[in-house]
Amino acid sequence: ETGVTQSPTHLIKTRGQQVTLRCSSQSGHNTVSWYQQALGQGPQFIFQYYREEENGRGNFPPRFSGLQFPNYSSELNVNALELDDSALYLCASSLVREGRAEQFFGPGTRLTVL
Amino acid sequence: DAKTTQPPSMDCAEGRAANLPCNHSTISGNEYVYWYRQIHSQGPQYIIHGLKNNETNEMASLIITEDRKSSTLILPHATLRDTAVYYCIVRVPYSNSGYALNFGKGTSLLVTP
Repeated sequence: ETGVTQSPTHLIKTRGQQVTLRCSSQSGHNTVSWYQQALGQGPQFIFQYYREEENGRGNFPPRFSGLQFPNYSSELNVNALELDDSALYLCASSLVREGRAEQFFGPGTRLTVL
Repeated sequence: DAKTTQPPSMDCAEGRAANLPCNHSTISGNEYVYWYRQIHSQGPQYIIHGLKNNETNEMASLIITEDRKSSTLILPHATLRDTAVYYCIVRVPYSNSGYALNFGKGTSLLVTP
């Protein structure tokens, strides 16, 4: 069983640029969530996708957007990058079923905005 | 989702049991207790979850008090590889509006030789 993978592992961008981060869900999972983790903090929920539709969003501005594809892979897009967007971005997949919805995380993409 | 309170840090000697407490006094009847851990620079890892009965798996045991206002994660024989930040999260398993995990700051566990 293949776990959650993310690409790239590291990325450096400059302020004002746009970035796309990618995630491949664990086989058989139908839900993907994205989190932002600033240095020294716990992960913060950005949004979740279920069957290609956004299904919950945290306190992040619209310049954070996402997509989920039919094969359950996903992208996180961030426009107009700001210095505070520097963080570890985590993708988590899960199979939602009665009473259970553990999330399985990928290794993350480390984004640095200069 | 109910708020949780965890000590910021704990130490444990290798080979001994690590007992990580979590207070969740405002937990409601349909909320589960989840535990995740995050080893430095890696993604969080699911450990265990429970509703009201004690649970055990290959990684850990979860003890939930009868009133469900607190719980303890037990690593029976801690190893150096168990050094990580441990997060206690309380929430419903799923809702129609999605289900975010609210990680908080967690407990930084240091296992020493």
